[in-house]
Amino acid sequence: QKEVEQNSGPLSVPEGAIASLNCTYSDRVSQSFFWYRQYSGKSPELIMSIYSNGDKEDGRFTAQLNKASQYVSLLIRDSQPSDSATYLCAVNGVTSGTYKYIFGTGTRLKVLA
Amino acid sequence: NAGVTQTPKFQVLKTGQSMTLQCAQDMNHNSMYWYRQDPGMGLRLIYYSASEGTTDKGEVPNGYNVSRLNKREFSLRLESAAPSQTSVYFCASRRTGEEKLFFGSGTQLSVL
Repeated sequence: QKEVEQNSGPLSVPEGAIASLNCTYSDRVSQSFFWYRQYSGKSPELIMSIYSNGDKEDGRFTAQLNKASQYVSLLIRDSQPSDSATYLCAVNGVTSGTYKYIFGTGTRLKVLA
Repeated sequence: NAGVTQTPKFQVLKTGQSMTLQCAQDMNHNSMYWYRQDPGMGLRLIYYSASEGTTDKGEVPNGYNVSRLNKREFSLRLESAAPSQTSVYFCASRRTGEEKLFFGSGTQLSVL
């Protein structure tokens, strides 16, 4: 079982809708969780981080964390065609004090105009 | 401010050839990482360096070696390239105490 799992998609949503991206992880000691956005042919860029259970909002983005269920999600409200990208979930697997960031395979999001 | 710079951007190798991918950051970060990205596999950690003088294996280290030459530079070497190493390689760095990874623009490597 891969440590961080995501549905590869593509997830297609109409412009203006809410896009919901999901991620599960296997390591219960993970403490930090991240969402990176990657446009085609580009490098990943961090858009959200979350460390405690509950919701964290930043503009149109909301990250949700449930450590009991080992589940992280990203909601994108009022989706725009410019949000079309691959979204990578990452988990910090701290091992002996060293930070190892493990990524999921990514979910490709397509926002239809 | 260049951030994380990777060279080359593109490279084609024949099976058995060797090469070194270069990565340098100008943000005074302590930690540096090498990832490879393959279709359907996501980003996989090859090696990382928590600080100058230290390196550790990640998920997929076989066939690679690394050198943390100094605080700025972290190179990835393929001693005998194989077609299975065809991939896009990303270098990243991180400031101590923060968790954001800064990525370079990537190196697209093809091994024929």
